[in-house]
Amino acid sequence: DTEVTQTPKHLVMGMTNKKSLKCEQHMGHRAMYWYKQKAKKPPELMFVYSYEKLSINESVPSRFSPECPNSSLLNLHLHALQPEDSALYLCASSQGPGLTNYGYTFGSGTRLTVV
Amino acid sequence: KNEVEQSPQNLTAQEGEFITINCSYSVGISALHWLQQHPGGGIVSLFMLSSGKKKHGRLIATINIQEKHSSLHITASHPRDSAVYICAVPGGGGSQGNLIFGKGTKLSVKP
Repeated sequence: DTEVTQTPKHLVMGMTNKKSLKCEQHMGHRAMYWYKQKAKKPPELMFVYSYEKLSINESVPSRFSPECPNSSLLNLHLHALQPEDSALYLCASSQGPGLTNYGYTFGSGTRLTVV
Repeated sequence: KNEVEQSPQNLTAQEGEFITINCSYSVGISALHWLQQHPGGGIVSLFMLSSGKKKHGRLIATINIQEKHSSLHITASHPRDSAVYICAVPGGGGSQGNLIFGKGTKLSVKP
């Protein structure tokens, strides 16, 4: 299995809802990432997990809460989002922190719309 | 922090043409990624290279570490090659694994 699987592919949520995005990989990668991509812009880093521990939080608002329950799974919990949070949320993984030479793989993303 | 510049920003070609997209960066790196993103879609990794040249089908990527420059070439371009092509380099001093992305080159290949 050489894929990063993200679910759901599309999500519409109200500003008072709580939802979660899920990312899964079974390549044995020990670093996992969340990126946010607005239309016609490059992805922006949100969080990095290294060996299941949060190693980078790029000053992301607390309404986004990441979780890494095990080495294969990465979640992003969403609560009280704003319409400007609507974007494509991309998950990625690599063999390990600092080892961007090997196996950097992206998921197909979750298209989030906040209404 | 590494600065990544891509050119051109937009590129329109006729089917069959040879395409070149350029990427330059400001800080020395261990590896560079070329990525492809179709409209509304996720990102696909095309190449990771640290020196020289790599070829996959009609795609060729080259890198000159000394000049901090890389190019992506597409031979015999086809409308299905229409996508955004993104150059990316390691960020955070390369120690955290995250990537820093160029702004992308939007390629449109006309039949």
